[in-house]
Amino acid sequence: GAGVSQSPRYKVAKRGQDVALRCDPISGHVSLFWYQQALGQGPEFLTYFQNEAQLDKSGLPSDRFFAERPEGSVSTLKIQRTQQEDSAVYLCASSFGGNNEKLFFGSGTQLSVL
Amino acid sequence: DQQVKQNSPSLSVQEGRISILNCDYTNSMFDYFLWYKKYPAEGPTFLISISSIKDKNEDGRFTVFLNKSAKHLSLHIVPSQPGDSAVYFCAARGHRGTSYGKLTFGQGTILTVHP
Repeated sequence: GAGVSQSPRYKVAKRGQDVALRCDPISGHVSLFWYQQALGQGPEFLTYFQNEAQLDKSGLPSDRFFAERPEGSVSTLKIQRTQQEDSAVYLCASSFGGNNEKLFFGSGTQLSVL
Repeated sequence: DQQVKQNSPSLSVQEGRISILNCDYTNSMFDYFLWYKKYPAEGPTFLISISSIKDKNEDGRFTVFLNKSAKHLSLHIVPSQPGDSAVYFCAARGHRGTSYGKLTFGQGTILTVHP
């Protein structure tokens, strides 16, 4: 597709359940980012990939959060044993990489943990 | 520790007038600043940016001003149009030697432009 695609659009999970959120970046984009946006707040950085290499995971809030991009294109953000505080919109963004600072965001996955 | 702050949660402006959205930051290591616009149920879209070596950047109706000594930037929209109604996020990037691509966002300002 022409833009960054994320699925599912909405996810409701019971507390303690594992979830997996998918991101399809724009074709050819080297860099991929995950952000978490809580209600009424701005997006907060979680992690960054350049191709398949995870270069920065300093924003992941706990070891329950895990991200991968095994072939340098599609990425999955996995949250284990979800907690209520994990409820947020998870945004994926991609860019050509290098010196290109413009990020193209997907519409996000809204996660609700009950 | 909020390193990028947008102190006005909302702004209401009449169509045709100027909209001014403000942003303050605390980290002097930030070297690049961006504004993103977000419509409901969509991801943020890039609007305009400015490097720390400049004090102004203009793109059509949008102008961003940077005051490094005050650690303050602002976005001016002239003239404002109803289609500009959205949430506007200010974002900053750390020095390239640290974490390229890792943006720090403000909380956002909801802009409403009335016809």
